[in-house]
Amino acid sequence: QKEVEQNSGPLSVPEGAIASLNCTYSDRGSQSFFWYRQYSGKSPELIMFIYSNGDKEDGRFTAQLNKASQYVSLLIRDSQPSDSATYLCAATKWGADGLTFGKGTHLIIQP
Amino acid sequence: GAGVSQSPSNKVTEKGKDVELRCDPISGHTALYWYRQSLGQGLEFLIYFQGNSAPDKSGLPSDRFSAERTGGSVSTLTIQRTQQEDSAVYLCASSPSAGGGTDTQYFGPGTRLTVL
Repeated sequence: QKEVEQNSGPLSVPEGAIASLNCTYSDRGSQSFFWYRQYSGKSPELIMFIYSNGDKEDGRFTAQLNKASQYVSLLIRDSQPSDSATYLCAATKWGADGLTFGKGTHLIIQP
Repeated sequence: GAGVSQSPSNKVTEKGKDVELRCDPISGHTALYWYRQSLGQGLEFLIYFQGNSAPDKSGLPSDRFSAERTGGSVSTLTIQRTQQEDSAVYLCASSPSAGGGTDTQYFGPGTRLTVL
């Protein structure tokens, strides 16, 4: 059974601070990992993906992958109120079918 | 360019009726995916198409669900004899190819299905 686990939150972070979102996965064969942001009533939009161990930075966002620990995280620096949303972690294998999503973490950035 | 489009945006139906949900992927994207998101739940993968073929249909919840894709473009998800537990937002996504890997899936706005 492929599973992706996330703390549902809500995670409350003051504006300007670093928000840290975490995700674990059970299928060791998973090779690529995606972070999507979903505003209430809207469809998911991709923030970034990662498939190599280590860190990957894109603007205010940094994804971290540790395959040995089966752990993925997303850091958001200088958090803004507009970052308030549900963040979905997803995993897949090369050549596989769809993404396996976690249930998401609800992030609230307090002004 | 245009993103993934879905229709209808909202559908209310009575239990036992059949419904068809449509997805129009981004032009040139060969892979198309259907997901379902129930209230308070994560996205549940249903089926994907590479071109017109669907290699794996095991994600469909029951035999009341079927999907087809014609011309490598538009896809239709059909739910027969709808049940109240089918109520959810049905999301379609497309990507340039179906290799998993780093191919980004772009989501449409979804169809909110309510079965009374």
